[in-house]
Amino acid sequence: EPEVTQTPSHQVTQMGQEVILRCVPISNHLYFYWYRQILGQKVEFLVSFYNNEISEKSEIFDDQFSVERPDGSNFTLKIRSTKLEDSAMYFCASTGTGSTDTQYFGPGTRLTVL
Amino acid sequence: DAKTTQPPSMDCAEGRAANLPCNHSTISGNEYVYWYRQIHSQGPQYIIHGLKNNETNEMASLIITEDRKSSTLILPHATLRDTAVYYCIATYNDMRFGAGTRLTVKP
Repeated sequence: EPEVTQTPSHQVTQMGQEVILRCVPISNHLYFYWYRQILGQKVEFLVSFYNNEISEKSEIFDDQFSVERPDGSNFTLKIRSTKLEDSAMYFCASTGTGSTDTQYFGPGTRLTVL
Repeated sequence: DAKTTQPPSMDCAEGRAANLPCNHSTISGNEYVYWYRQIHSQGPQYIIHGLKNNETNEMASLIITEDRKSSTLILPHATLRDTAVYYCIATYNDMRFGAGTRLTVKP
């Protein structure tokens, strides 16, 4: 069964450093998403991406965040200058041919900012 | 997205049916009811969704009231591996997660 994959599973970085989290959505899916979950809190929407542009973003997704689909398979989330409060699980999700289709989530990347 | 209300926690005996309720009284006509679950800190796992009719798949059944203001997720024979946080989401396209219901299946 096709699935969303994410790398790395765990990323440790120093405050102020740039990190790139990678996701490989389900092939033939067209809509892509990033979510985050701070330890003990709820899953929060960050951004949705379709047709090579951001379709929606939350207030959390400020100028330090960016997303990119550099090739036909990867979908990345970049955090330019990490802060302690960026420590969280980051989940990628993808949806098929319509934005109303079911979203399938990856296993997540645990980001630890020291 | 319509706001949903779920009990914060529930217990269920292993082998028994787990019935998880959800209220979505402000749901609009084009919004679906989705259920996901999250085991520990793993990625949310899709369970089932529906619009008006009751739905069943290999994991669960979804019962939606006729007025669509509430629904119930049924796990027919709960196992210890079903212990997780279950999220009910009423949406047209965007997933907005609440606090969910923490289901604990006990031996």
